[in-house]
Amino acid sequence: NAGVMQNPRHLVRRRGQEARLRCSPMKGHSHVYWYRQLPEEGLKFMVYLQKENIIDESGMPKERFSAEFPKEGPSILRIQQVVRGDSAAYFCASSPRQGRFSAGANVLTFGAGSRLTVL
Amino acid sequence: QQQVKQSPQSLIVQKGGISIINCAYENTAFDYFPWYQQFPGKGPALLIAIRPDVSEKKEGRFTISFNKSAKQFSLHIMDSQPGDSATYFCAASMRVGGTSYGKLTFGQGTILTVHP
Repeated sequence: NAGVMQNPRHLVRRRGQEARLRCSPMKGHSHVYWYRQLPEEGLKFMVYLQKENIIDESGMPKERFSAEFPKEGPSILRIQQVVRGDSAAYFCASSPRQGRFSAGANVLTFGAGSRLTVL
Repeated sequence: QQQVKQSPQSLIVQKGGISIINCAYENTAFDYFPWYQQFPGKGPALLIAIRPDVSEKKEGRFTISFNKSAKQFSLHIMDSQPGDSATYFCAASMRVGGTSYGKLTFGQGTILTVHP
């Protein structure tokens, strides 16, 4: 079981470029989350996706950020026209299910993160 | 009201001692309270979690104490070891539209150092 796989682990971009971060959830998990961790801070929820659907994007900045989880392939977090303030660690997490009283619905397994540096 | 406040920011404990990290929340709709452990360069890993219908949960050397009336919960690490040195995050979540999922509100983190 390879766990949650994220790549690249480190990414350097210049201001104005695009950053694409990829996440493959754990085998058997169909729910993906993206969190951002700024230096010296806790993790902040960004978006929750299921296959081909965005369920909750209440934590996503309104501009430049987008996320997708296609039917085939990994989930992708895309940041257009990056600025220095986007420098952070971006963590993907997955869970097996959601539900009204579903045990384990909010038990997340995190990947090792992608660390974005904007020069 | 969505915040989870964590203290202390950093903690130094001698090997064999007890580490205590505290969290407080405001939103009474929170119904799931996990603790995550994060080593440098790694993602957070679930350590232990509690729901508000119990006041304490113990797993090995790790115990969560939960005080619903005070809206506080804490992590106790008994017999702390150098290998426990890591950053610890408390978190909380609630049902959204009646559905439970992994939208967690994290505390700011506590850097624990256990000296040998």
